[in-house]
Formats: sequence, structure tokens, C-alpha cells
Amino acid sequence: DAKTTQPPSMDCAEGRAANLPCNHSTISGNEYVYWYRQIHSQGPQYIIHGLKNNETNEMASLIITEDRKSSTLILPHATLRDTAVYYCIVRVAGKAAGNKLTFGGGTRVLVKP
Amino acid sequence: EPEVTQTPSHQVTQMGQEVILRCVPISNHLYFYWYRQILGQKVEFLVSFYNNEISEKSEIFDDQFSVERPDGSNFTLKIRSTKLEDSAMYFCASSYGQGAFKAFFGQGTRLTVV
Repeated sequence: DAKTTQPPSMDCAEGRAANLPCNHSTISGNEYVYWYRQIHSQGPQYIIHGLKNNETNEMASLIITEDRKSSTLILPHATLRDTAVYYCIVRVAGKAAGNKLTFGGGTRVLVKP
Repeated sequence: EPEVTQTPSHQVTQMGQEVILRCVPISNHLYFYWYRQILGQKVEFLVSFYNNEISEKSEIFDDQFSVERPDGSNFTLKIRSTKLEDSAMYFCASSYGQGAFKAFFGQGTRLTVV
């Protein structure tokens, strides 16, 4: 799986959009970008994933650059409950992937009132 | 929304004792996993289980560990002869397929070895 680089921490104002960057410059063509988050000591929670098109669901939007070397997770209206560690993970899909998720250090996001 | 449930939420055990951590995965999921997180450290993969056998395991998952799906709903992690360094949060997860890898995690069992 390709390596990812994320800022260790960031603050965000409640009600504003939070833009979380992830660098994955060595990503290969069959690797997806996944985002998970972990709210204080709880189990990780799936947020969204994408291959090359931008994706949106009820939780967030994922913007992937055209060269796929970086992406941004957008939380459109951050709430205090969005305070968590956010993990960007790159991995292939399907049987070739094996079964594990490899979590890095992530970005610790603090949403402030 | 369906969820993965884990019991107990907290377990304290003496060094050298055996513990069994229990998980009920989401009912139509086919792949099951255990991860652990030592306090202040990263979430680490331990093992995955599919079709009643281990499909992948990490170097952490040595002979001290075993997993079992004793019936159609439970998925257990057994740690034999616990050590102080086994103290961690243990997370169970499940997924329907390997493709999209949308894994659902439980809330974890905090294991404290004293």
C-alpha cells in the first residue's frame, strides 16, 4: 500500500468547513483512497473512499487531485462531535489487497466552539 | 444502523491468565478482524478471518493468540498467558466483502493486565 502523509493536527471552528489534506504521491492506478476517523478511544469509523472521481456522502466529501497524488477530506459544517483523529489510508481493492487496514498517525482534528 | 458489539467493555486480568474477548459482527458480514491499540499508539492489525479460517495475520499474532467463530454469530479472540504488554484496546471489525473494504468496528474492549 502506498504511504500517506498527513499533518499531525489541525483546529477548526464549529460550523465551518474542515479541509483535511493527505499526500499520497506514490499511489498506483489500482489503489483507492480511504478515510476513517477515531473519536476518542472508540473504534475507527469508515467515512468515505474514492478512486479518482470526487465523492460525497452524508458525512463528508472527498476531493482527489487529477494526478491522484493528494486528496482532501471535507467536513462541510464541522461540529464538536467531529473532534477525532482522521486517517487517510491508501490500498488496492479486491483480493489482491489482503485483509488489513494499515493505520498511520492520522490528523488530530479539534473542533472549537 | 447495524453495529459490531464487543464484550466486555473493560477486562482486568492477572499476568499469566487467559482471556477471551468476544465480538458479535454484523450479521451478513463475511470477513472478521481483530485490531489492537496500545495507549497512545497506532491502531494495529492482528488477524483476519474468513470462511472459518485465518486469512491473514500480523507478526503480533503469535501462538499466544487464537481466534474462533464458535457459532453463527460470535467471533472471539483468546489470549493465552497474558503479559503486561498485552494491555491495550482490542477492536473487532467486520466487513461484507474485500472489495470496497468498508469495515465496521466495534467500540472495543480495554484489556488491562496487572
